[in-house]
Amino acid sequence: DAGVTQSPTHLIKTRGQQVTLRCSPISGHKSVSWYQQVLGQGPQFIFQYYEKEERGRGNFPDRFSARQFPNYSSELNVNALLLGDSALYLCASSRPPHSLTDTQYFGPGTRLTVL
Amino acid sequence: AQSVTQLDSQVPVFEEAPVELRCNYSSSVSVYLFWYVQYPNQGLQLLLKYLSGSTLVKGINGFEAEFNKSQTSFHLRKPSVHISDTAEYFCALTGDQFYFGTGTSLTVIP
Repeated sequence: DAGVTQSPTHLIKTRGQQVTLRCSPISGHKSVSWYQQVLGQGPQFIFQYYEKEERGRGNFPDRFSARQFPNYSSELNVNALLLGDSALYLCASSRPPHSLTDTQYFGPGTRLTVL
Repeated sequence: AQSVTQLDSQVPVFEEAPVELRCNYSSSVSVYLFWYVQYPNQGLQLLLKYLSGSTLVKGINGFEAEFNKSQTSFHLRKPSVHISDTAEYFCALTGDQFYFGTGTSLTVIP
């Protein structure tokens, strides 16, 4: 089976712009989580979606939003980009039933650079 | 509040030597603990996880970790490392959400 896929691989934007990142979970997985990994740091939790509903939100401003589609793929949107938003954005999926103990399967990430 | 602290940012070790990567956690409630590995230019991959039961957890690639509730630690160990173990290792826990440590860069020296 294919793993978690993310697009695009790399992205360059300027301050103030908006960006949309996309994630396709492993087939059969219904939960998708998003993380931000700043260079030299561990991933920080942004959102978790399960069955198209937001099930968790990390400490990120309202400029960050996400949604999950009926096919369980997901988009992460970031508005009014700041230089500090430059990071690797990771998507992870997990199989049902939704549980905090689920193993998460990570995609390779989208590298966002804000100039 | 919950948090994870990885005590060493970089660990160099010679090939075939043992290694221990240290992780301490803080939580006022029961937690589940994980170790993930990130190879260069690859996504994170689960090494092992502790949910309950035996405090010694065995994972993939010969790694194991011991949950110590009194010490609030979950250190990762391998008795003999290989060049291919060179990677970034992250300790993590779930509470109200998922928390990752800042990572330990393991470099295996030939």
